[in-house]
Amino acid sequence: AQTVTQSQPEMSVQEAETVTLSCTYDTSENNYYLFWYKQPPSRQMILVIRQEAYKQQNATENRFSVNFQKAAKSFSLKISDSQLGDTAMYFCAFILSEDNYGQNFVFGPGTRLSVLP
Amino acid sequence: EPEVTQTPSHQVTQMGQEVILRCVPISNHLYFYWYRQILGQKVEFLVSFYNNEISEKSEIFDDQFSVERPDGSNFTLKIRSTKLEDSAMYFCASSERTGTYEQYFGPGTRLTVT
Repeated sequence: AQTVTQSQPEMSVQEAETVTLSCTYDTSENNYYLFWYKQPPSRQMILVIRQEAYKQQNATENRFSVNFQKAAKSFSLKISDSQLGDTAMYFCAFILSEDNYGQNFVFGPGTRLSVLP
Repeated sequence: EPEVTQTPSHQVTQMGQEVILRCVPISNHLYFYWYRQILGQKVEFLVSFYNNEISEKSEIFDDQFSVERPDGSNFTLKIRSTKLEDSAMYFCASSERTGTYEQYFGPGTRLTVT
């Protein structure tokens, strides 16, 4: 079974600074996808960034970037120039590729990020 | 931008009652999902649905739960006899294609069982 671990239940960062959220996962499969979802206080989950396991290049989306270490099964999220609107719960999620069994996401427990003014 | 919608935003029900949570997926999406999030805990997969049948379900999704796509637009989750531990946020999601493609989440329905 696949598992996702986020070891930081809560983090805080000063506005305009950089913060890194950790995520590790466990799978015996080779093809899969990793995601970071953001859940602000309004509670709707929004996709932040996605990484395909077969791609060596780390995904980047504006101020958000990942450090994907496949051998270490690590998928951390870096937020640069943090903004107050980044305050949210962040979930790391894993899904097997469509060639493998399973369609559902496995979510980590989440990291609550607070951006301080 | 198209989005997944869910109604109601908050549902309060008494233990033992039946509830139906409603979702309208994005119109051209073919795969539909329900997740739940007990307060303070992680998001958990309940069920996925494709071509008018369940394609996968978790151990949480027992006989008390059922899903249906009664028409071309709605996707519902029914809990037949609610228990206190069913209190949670329930998220619907849809995707154009299976798994590897982005699942779009709705805003959620907060279910409170008293």
